Amino acid sequence: EVQLVESGGGLVQPGGSLKVSCTASGFTFSGSAMHWVRQASGKGLEWIGRIRTKASGYATAYAASMKGRFTISRDDSKNTAYLQMNSLKTEDTAVYYCTTGAVDYDDYEGADDAFDIWGQGTMVIVSS
Amino acid sequence: QPVLTQPPSASASLGASVTLTCTLSSGYTNYKVDWYQQRPGKGPRFVMRVGTGGIVGSKGDGIPDRFSVLGSGLNRYLIIENIQEEDESDYHCGVDDGSGGNFVWVFGGGTKLTVL
Repeated sequence: EVQLVESGGGLVQPGGSLKVSCTASGFTFSGSAMHWVRQASGKGLEWIGRIRTKASGYATAYAASMKGRFTISRDDSKNTAYLQMNSLKTEDTAVYYCTTGAVDYDDYEGADDAFDIWGQGTMVIVSS
Repeated sequence: QPVLTQPPSASASLGASVTLTCTLSSGYTNYKVDWYQQRPGKGPRFVMRVGTGGIVGSKGDGIPDRFSVLGSGLNRYLIIENIQEEDESDYHCGVDDGSGGNFVWVFGGGTKLTVL
């Protein structure tokens, strides 16, 4: 079964750090770019960033508002992607999703890179 | 980078049709947009990709034939015919932009569809 499972969410104080994980199964994780997306309660989706594969040098890209505080990494031996979040603010409170199109290229002719695999999300609450 | 604009809400009666709109910011006429459905309390689900020529690639798994797309100018439309109760969801559009060497993905604010 194709699946992404996020874990590691929880309650953290403002200014604190948290690392959430996304474990994949049922598809070739090592060949897939992985993205993180978050959603605050009652709000829309917000793209955080992506990490490409070893073949692409594990290149990362981030939304401008996340750059510097959030870091995406991966461990292909564990089929797991990570999102390290530092200097957390109350406005970072959200459900955090990982997602992928199970490919590592930008498909300008088709839709292979569309986000057709999503995890169930993990809740991060930043509060004192 | 592109900006996507969506009306915050839409409604339609059971069995009717509705057109949801996602508008790209000026200068991004040729960009393709993805539509995602998010049912209450669930994660998003890929619906389909749309450009000015219509659907790009294939629909997401399990997306019924009642769902279709059109593209015109800066607008990308998701059309739902014969609306069912299970179509009541938030619909998000998204686009990627790799121009300038910096990859970025952008979502619109989402449209909440209410089935009357």
